[in-house]
Amino acid sequence: GDSVTQMEGPVTLSEEAFLTINCTYTATGYPSLFWYVQYPGEGLQLLLKATKADDKGSNKGFEATYRKETTSFHLEKGSVQVSDSAVYFCALSQKQYGNKLVFGAGTILRVKS
Amino acid sequence: DGGITQSPKYLFRKEGQNVTLSCEQNLNHDAMYWYRQDPGQGLRLIYYSQIVNDFQKGDIAEGYSVSREKKESFPLTVTSAQKNPTAFYLCASSPRGLSGANVLTFGAGSRLTVL
Repeated sequence: GDSVTQMEGPVTLSEEAFLTINCTYTATGYPSLFWYVQYPGEGLQLLLKATKADDKGSNKGFEATYRKETTSFHLEKGSVQVSDSAVYFCALSQKQYGNKLVFGAGTILRVKS
Repeated sequence: DGGITQSPKYLFRKEGQNVTLSCEQNLNHDAMYWYRQDPGQGLRLIYYSQIVNDFQKGDIAEGYSVSREKKESFPLTVTSAQKNPTAFYLCASSPRGLSGANVLTFGAGSRLTVL
């Protein structure tokens, strides 16, 4: 079945450092790809998405590019802030399976001031 | 504001008891979902419903039951048959659309602890 693999955390960075969280996927078709973020004690909220190869999703300074050739959707941000501390989930969904999301295990990000 | 309301936020249960988690949405979404979150395992799908009076099992449905009698409500019952029920439970909804790219809106979650 479809699956998503994320880099293990926690990732600890200093404020204004560059962030990369790796995400790769396995899917039989052409999935849509998502990054969701979960702040402490809360549910998940969409950070960005991409629906086809070479699409770039972006939001709040975060970016991720859908790379079909490497089956990847790595999350990047040029300068992180303490307020970016959260758990980040990579996920995919496919048309033939409706909107069911398949999630990665999540990566904890801690940003120090 | 439109959104998803889950209740209770925290719940304690004794072994052998059933418990029902509430999920209500006012987004006029057709589809609703229940996920379970455990540390280091991401989210796993328990049940989902794409339309009123219809629902399907997800990846880990054993020990859980749901109903979808109204469009805005999708309660989850954790039964005594669920061997490891202590977890964080998340409800979500989305438009029904068939593109596969629709965004899910999540509730704030319910944390269930079995004593």
